[in-house]
Amino acid sequence: EVQLLESGGGLVQPGGSLRLSCAASGFTFSNSAMSWVRQAPGKGLEWVSSISTSGSNTYYADSVKGRFTISRDNSKNTLSLQMNALRAEDTAVYYCAKEQWLVRVLDSYFDYWGQGTLVTVSS
Amino acid sequence: SSELTQDPAVSVALGQTVRITCRGDSLRRYSVSWYQQKPGQAPVVVICPKDNRPSGIPDRFSGSSSGNTASLTITGAQAEDEADYYCSSRDSSGNHNWVFGGGTKLTVL
Repeated sequence: EVQLLESGGGLVQPGGSLRLSCAASGFTFSNSAMSWVRQAPGKGLEWVSSISTSGSNTYYADSVKGRFTISRDNSKNTLSLQMNALRAEDTAVYYCAKEQWLVRVLDSYFDYWGQGTLVTVSS
Repeated sequence: SSELTQDPAVSVALGQTVRITCRGDSLRRYSVSWYQQKPGQAPVVVICPKDNRPSGIPDRFSGSSSGNTASLTITGAQAEDEADYYCSSRDSSGNHNWVFGGGTKLTVL
């Protein structure tokens, strides 16, 4: 059974830092690209960042570029998101999501999601 | 970047058919996937790229696409289908980014 378990959320002051982690199990972690997707209270889903299987390629939404860093440790089946210079608008539930590549259609989607961890940026 | 546009809310009578639409330039190039999210829960994929349905998803859920528009159809809506639905695709800029629609709240009457 695929499981994605996020941790590290909490209350942080504006300008502060926080590191989120996602522990993966039930699949070959090193074979899957991974992403972070967030959802502000009462709002829709917003893609934040993605990382390739090896970790050599990373991608960011413009809203977090230069402040957030995604990384992975394939030996520990762990995905991370280092968040610096946090702003009130970063307040959200952060989901870890596994990407599934479909060879027959040459495209991918998010086939599994964690339950999320809440990040609150407030003074 | 690109945007995906969804109607904010749609309602359907129990047992009837409802269509939820998603529009955006990225859909001309990339496939769409659809996610269902119930209050307090994580999203769940209900339609994967090229309008396929993952295992475990009832066959009343189906997808279709044409040009810049994609649709999620629920044929014979059930009370448990009441949820928020989001479409998603790759960003049309070709930089491996993702984009989500704003979401459609489905109410089953």
